[in-house]
Amino acid sequence: SAVISQKPSRDICQRGTSLTIQCQVDSQVTMMFWYRQQPGQSLTLIATANQGSEATYESGFVIDKFPISRPNLTFSTLTVSNMSPEDSSIYLCSVRTSGDTGELFFGEGSRLTVL
Amino acid sequence: GQNIDQPTEMTATEGAIVQINCTYQTSGFNGLFWYQQHAGEAPTFLSYNVLDGLEEKGRFSSFLSRSKGYSYLLLKELQMKDSASYLCASMDSNYQLIWGAGTKLIIKP
Repeated sequence: SAVISQKPSRDICQRGTSLTIQCQVDSQVTMMFWYRQQPGQSLTLIATANQGSEATYESGFVIDKFPISRPNLTFSTLTVSNMSPEDSSIYLCSVRTSGDTGELFFGEGSRLTVL
Repeated sequence: GQNIDQPTEMTATEGAIVQINCTYQTSGFNGLFWYQQHAGEAPTFLSYNVLDGLEEKGRFSSFLSRSKGYSYLLLKELQMKDSASYLCASMDSNYQLIWGAGTKLIIKP
């Protein structure tokens, strides 16, 4: 298992600003992911955070809008840049601790509201 | 394309049994996951099926039929705390999870 700490847990942001979300895991993990979950909708994968190299982004998500850092095997950040109200969502950090088919563990999420 | 279908909402009575269905179409298949998500909280793992059949884990069971692209989550002896959203996710050939929109389960006394 893995214990994942995410912060901030929630924030209210102004349009045009940027916010960085931090994710700390209590053990070294190979696979770390960032998801978005808009109200009443499914989880959408933003990107896979790769240690020591650029993140791998899913279709519809770009590095300029969602820059990701992963300096080591226990920590990652996601920045939501130049925010608009459409970015209001829950952002979730998740990790897989064993193999390609192991279960995903999730952080408690960061609920962002953009005014 | 890849698609996961599950009902949007279901209602059941405390103490009863409920079955939440999920059908999937993914490019390749490496297993089917069920997660529980209480309002305002992160999803938590319930089950993983990669072979056909029923996996039982306490009050919760999960079934998979790969030939039909079908799974269900069975919840027995329902308790009020089981009120949550239940997310079905299929893992494709690239080990990516394709998520359903979730089924909101409402338990009534």
